[in-house]
Amino acid sequence: GAVVSQHPSRVICKSGTSVKIECRSLDFQATTMFWYRQFPKQSLMLMATSNEGSKATYEQGVEKDKFLINHASLTLSTLTVTSAHPEDSSFYICSARREPGLALEETQYFGPGTRLLVL
Amino acid sequence: GQNIDQPTEMTATEGAIVQINCTYQTSGFNGLFWYQQHAGEAPTFLSYNVLDGLEEKGRFSSFLSRSKGYSYLLLKELQMKDSASYLCAVGRGGGNKLTFGTGTQLKVEL
Repeated sequence: GAVVSQHPSRVICKSGTSVKIECRSLDFQATTMFWYRQFPKQSLMLMATSNEGSKATYEQGVEKDKFLINHASLTLSTLTVTSAHPEDSSFYICSARREPGLALEETQYFGPGTRLLVL
Repeated sequence: GQNIDQPTEMTATEGAIVQINCTYQTSGFNGLFWYQQHAGEAPTFLSYNVLDGLEEKGRFSSFLSRSKGYSYLLLKELQMKDSASYLCAVGRGGGNKLTFGTGTQLKVEL
């Protein structure tokens, strides 16, 4: 159990366009999902916390108007990179937090990631 | 700020034991996670320590000392497939947000 999917797995787009990435928890409900970004040979950096039914919470330095997050249901969160530029090229990974009560561990389960290349 | 330190790289021999250390200084602490990440893939959960002491799960064990801000991941009977990056992460806050270290790239050799 505890499977998280992301779509698309890979996307190439032109500079100035917007890209939407979906994150789904397939076999559990997640009121909280997280979006991370990872540049080559670096660790994961938390961008924002996505809360179902409310506004996302962004980490310091992350532009909320550029990275739009929508958590429309208990199994789906989307990240839209608006007006993408080459410096936004990165590996975007989401995770879903399995709620307490189902298991002792409050573990985040990660999606397989989306590799974005902006030309 | 948040500070989580791990060695950048380690090399070990197939069949051997390796210990990957992690020290942390963070504002807030719920627990300490270890993840494994193969190149180009998402991290996979290995262990979660909340209390001091050793947690054992098959070939993998993780230790935590909250007073020292220290954890280690112990891998026994190393296999070639264990070559990966190992990420130490601290869970903080009500949402248990994860702050990751830079990761330790482990190379297992014959």
